Amino acid sequence: KQEVTQIPAALSVPEGENLVLNCSFTDSAIYNLQWFRQDPGKGLTSLLLIQSSQREQTSGRLNASLDKSSGRSTLYIAASQPGDSATYLCAVNTGNQFYFGTGTSLTVIP
Amino acid sequence: GAVVSQHPSWVICKSGTSVKIECRSLDFQATTMFWYRQFPKQSLMLMATSNEGSKATYEQGVEKDKFLINHASLTLSTLTVTSAHPEDSSFYICCGTRAGANVLTFGAGSRLTVL
Repeated sequence: KQEVTQIPAALSVPEGENLVLNCSFTDSAIYNLQWFRQDPGKGLTSLLLIQSSQREQTSGRLNASLDKSSGRSTLYIAASQPGDSATYLCAVNTGNQFYFGTGTSLTVIP
Repeated sequence: GAVVSQHPSWVICKSGTSVKIECRSLDFQATTMFWYRQFPKQSLMLMATSNEGSKATYEQGVEKDKFLINHASLTLSTLTVTSAHPEDSSFYICCGTRAGANVLTFGAGSRLTVL
């Protein structure tokens, strides 16, 4: 069974810093990996989708990388802003099911 | 982009009543709808997977008679919490995906509070 782990569980940084969120998975046989953002009491917003054949995807200040062989993905956030404060989840798609990590709670301090 | 509309966003009910949560895919046909439950500060727990026109497949430990899922059309799926009790209070989120896309589109979630 696929297990998805996100480290750290919580992260607090001053505004303007660059930061990296980590997602690791145990089974490298995946179709794609998706990063989401969740604000308190809200649903999930898709940030980036990386297909299994891709190494990275970029959207604005966000860059997600995928190393399938080592079972790892990272989400890089450049020049963090207070509005980036949220919980970030990664989800691994095995073709049959989506497995979610437990999330990283990010706080960007003004 | 793809949008899933979920409502109600917030519902409070008395113990013993039933509550229906609806999820509609607005601009795509959701061949599969996933229903998740989320406890405070925890990740999403998959409750069931429903394919349009078929009975839902429930995860182990989820009572199918308590959490009724209907996916009668490609744009609408419903979750009915029957005879709700305080322990059913939670955040419920639906997620649709279309055939071959393997991309998740989430609803905004429904917070259920059972008194």
